[in-house]
Amino acid sequence: ETGVTQSPTHLIKTRGQQVTLRCSSQSGHNTVSWYQQALGQGPQFIFQYYREEENGRGNFPPRFSGLQFPNYSSELNVNALELDDSALYLCASSLGTSGASQETQYFGPGTRLLVL
Amino acid sequence: GEDVEQSLFLSVREGDSSVINCTYTDSSSTYLYWYKQEPGAGLQLLTYIFSNMDMKQDQRLTVLLNKKDKHLSLRIADTQTGDSAIYFCAEAPQGSSNTGKLIFGQGTTLQVKP
Repeated sequence: ETGVTQSPTHLIKTRGQQVTLRCSSQSGHNTVSWYQQALGQGPQFIFQYYREEENGRGNFPPRFSGLQFPNYSSELNVNALELDDSALYLCASSLGTSGASQETQYFGPGTRLLVL
Repeated sequence: GEDVEQSLFLSVREGDSSVINCTYTDSSSTYLYWYKQEPGAGLQLLTYIFSNMDMKQDQRLTVLLNKKDKHLSLRIADTQTGDSAIYFCAEAPQGSSNTGKLIFGQGTTLQVKP
């Protein structure tokens, strides 16, 4: 167990809706990264938050947005859901020491999102 | 470009050694990782290797790194049925444009037969 928790575990939405996924970091970690894992694929990096600021972003459109709170928990928001957004969404926490750090990431169990 | 390649499937008998291979493209990657994913679960960090090392051993796991060929392998000794899972290789490219990004392979499904 990594100590990283995510909620909810499963979610069903319809196309066009908005969704918020939540992540609680491992104790002592100040950095959260989000990944999308489509069925049969490896995880794809969405973005990372360090000390409440977006610190890096992958190749995802602006309708994917996030927040990090003072207690280092985090939210991933997806607007205008599309069928292709159906995936397992993983968050990972790490202990960053600077804005450009690349520290070992520990993953939560994920939220499985189905868009109909 | 950024790409991590893995073979998709490996089947071994219980007690044998398993070797999972991976090639990566970004020579700037300082760390390379192996993660394990069991059905319906998140990713479990198995081990990692720093790019200035050739080998790292951790109990039943041995990681070999050939930096010249950008080739990484994970050897599992005395493979058990509980090792059946998907194994992901990941690289951590450096640079401000890559902050926080891990690049994963497609995963290798390891099947262990009793």
